[in-house]
Amino acid sequence: GIQVEQSPPDLILQEGANSTLRCNFSDSVNNLQWFHQNPWGQLINLFYIPSGTKQNGRLSATTVATERYSLLYISSSQTTDSGVYFCAVESQWGSRLTFGEGTQLTVNP
Amino acid sequence: GAVVSQHPSWVICKSGTSVKIECRSLDFQATTMFWYRQFPKQSLMLMATSNEGSKATYEQGVEKDKFLINHASLTLSTLTVTSAHPEDSSFYICSVPTGGQGYGYTFGSGTRLTVV
Repeated sequence: GIQVEQSPPDLILQEGANSTLRCNFSDSVNNLQWFHQNPWGQLINLFYIPSGTKQNGRLSATTVATERYSLLYISSSQTTDSGVYFCAVESQWGSRLTFGEGTQLTVNP
Repeated sequence: GAVVSQHPSWVICKSGTSVKIECRSLDFQATTMFWYRQFPKQSLMLMATSNEGSKATYEQGVEKDKFLINHASLTLSTLTVTSAHPEDSSFYICSVPTGGQGYGYTFGSGTRLTVV
């Protein structure tokens, strides 16, 4: 099946800093989503982005499908941004989401 | 986007008992739903695919007789953990594919199961 690798596994920032999270995947995809898992476990859908660039407030994401990677940008980070960020993909061959291992983000005040 | 309701949010049960978790797609009809499990500090792993009106498809290593899945309607799938043991304690979360609406997959809020 498709492989999904996220980096870095852990990231510690001071409030106000910017960061970039990366997701590499091993095959062509029909779908790619970025999620933020809050402390209660709920998965918040940040972006549906199988290709191209999207922005939503302080967050933006870019997927370069031909090179099989996606980037999530967080600008002016806030303590409420803390949590785990997951990249999940659906390969062109299958109709299910496969998750990466996640990036644990800690934003300190 | 689609709304997926999952309950209970958390449940504590005794070893040997069974627990049922419900996943409802409130505004989107789904012939397929997915059940994931997440252990602490780990990623989400797909357990099974729930198919409306037919048998579920289980991932390798998942015991179908232990994790009973029923998808009786286009808006409801249930996961029953039978004869639960402490090692079944985990976070269970369902998802509904809503790609046709450009939102990909929508997830329920999850169920934290603790078996004592």
